[in-house]
Amino acid sequence: QEQLVESGGGVVQPGTSLRLSCATSGFTFSVYGIHWVRQAPGKGLEWVAVIWNDSSRRYYVDSVKGRFTVSRDSSMAYLQMNSLRADDTAVYYCVRDNWNYGKGGFDYWGQGTLVTVSS
Amino acid sequence: QSVLTQPPSASGTPGQRVTISCSGSSSNIGSNTVNWYQQFPGAAPKRLINSHNQRPSGVPDRFSGSQSGTSASLVISGLQSEDEADYYCAAWEDNLNGPVFGGGTKLTVL
Repeated sequence: QEQLVESGGGVVQPGTSLRLSCATSGFTFSVYGIHWVRQAPGKGLEWVAVIWNDSSRRYYVDSVKGRFTVSRDSSMAYLQMNSLRADDTAVYYCVRDNWNYGKGGFDYWGQGTLVTVSS
Repeated sequence: QSVLTQPPSASGTPGQRVTISCSGSSSNIGSNTVNWYQQFPGAAPKRLINSHNQRPSGVPDRFSGSQSGTSASLVISGLQSEDEADYYCAAWEDNLNGPVFGGGTKLTVL
């Protein structure tokens, strides 16, 4: 059974760093791109970053470029977040991208991990 | 402000047909498949359907999706109380190399 489980969220001060992890199981990890999507409290969904299945490409939303880095190895994906700001406060989801449903067809989502940036 | 435009709310009575629209541009909906996600309070979103009507197992065929030009629609036929949730449309954005989402539509079953 396909599963993604995030960890690493917490309460941090502005300007500090945090690393989120996404443990995957139940599918061939090397076949799928992994995205990070976030949702600020009471708000909608916002795409953050993607790493392609073979790590050949990584893309980011403008607001996190230069601050966030996405990586992956074996069956894990990571989101390194530096220089955190208050507006990065959100639940962060890792999601599997299944192009059988079109690009950005996110067929499996983790449960999410909450990142709170506050002084 | 979201790149894709959805109505913030929609409502209907049990058994009714409800349509949620999603409007975009040539670089997203106009050239890529639209996916719809359903989210219940406190839970992660789940993929519901795409514009080719590909549904995960367990999603009833009361839900249907379509797209034309730079717009897409989610239709729920025979509305049920358990359909009360937030619905998000999404499409790949060619200029972003990632997807863009609509702002979400809160569906209320009266």
